[in-house]
Amino acid sequence: DSGVTQTPKHLITATGQRVTLRCSPRSGDLSVYWYQQSLDQGLQFLIHYYNGEERAKGNILERFSAQQFPDLHSELNLSSLELGDSALYFCASSAPERGRDTGELFFGEGSRLTVL
Amino acid sequence: AQTVTQSQPEMSVQEAETVTLSCTYDTSESDYYLFWYKQPPSRQMILVIRQEAYKQQNATENRFSVNFQKAAKSFSLKISDSQLGDAAMYFCAYRTMLPTQGGSEKLVFGKGTKLTVNP
Repeated sequence: DSGVTQTPKHLITATGQRVTLRCSPRSGDLSVYWYQQSLDQGLQFLIHYYNGEERAKGNILERFSAQQFPDLHSELNLSSLELGDSALYFCASSAPERGRDTGELFFGEGSRLTVL
Repeated sequence: AQTVTQSQPEMSVQEAETVTLSCTYDTSESDYYLFWYKQPPSRQMILVIRQEAYKQQNATENRFSVNFQKAAKSFSLKISDSQLGDAAMYFCAYRTMLPTQGGSEKLVFGKGTKLTVNP
């Protein structure tokens, strides 16, 4: 158990709809990262939040948005869904502050999104 | 920007034998981390091994070891005494150690190598 919790684990929806994926990081971790993994593909970086502020943005579509709340949990919002958005969405957390950084990112089990 | 390349989309090994997975990366930084993550059919991302670039000694975790060649920007994973449970996708990943102010410690992944273990 990595200590990172993602909900829901599975989600099936239709094209054009909007969904929200939720992530609770490990206790005390200030950084949250979102990755997308399409079928038989590698992990594509979407976005990184640190203590509520956006730190980096990767290949994230304009239809996607994210935020990190004061309690450090994060949500990834996907709107106007298309068939190609079907993927496994991972959340990861880390503690990059001095003294707590082991370099590792701790991954949740992922949210599998299927768009029909 | 940093890039990670895994040139072997698929590899196979006989149970109890040794296999080496290749990874190269490109960076202009001197301080960074390198990782191998394993993704079994359950799709969970599991850390296999970590290497700090400033350490000359190659990291080892039980049957897993790396050959880290900093000058060549190469980071291969050796799995000894392969077991059926080692069958998985293996991802090589890079992370900066000291990001610039306001920078990101995100992981940059290679495309992965699918390892099959034959009984």
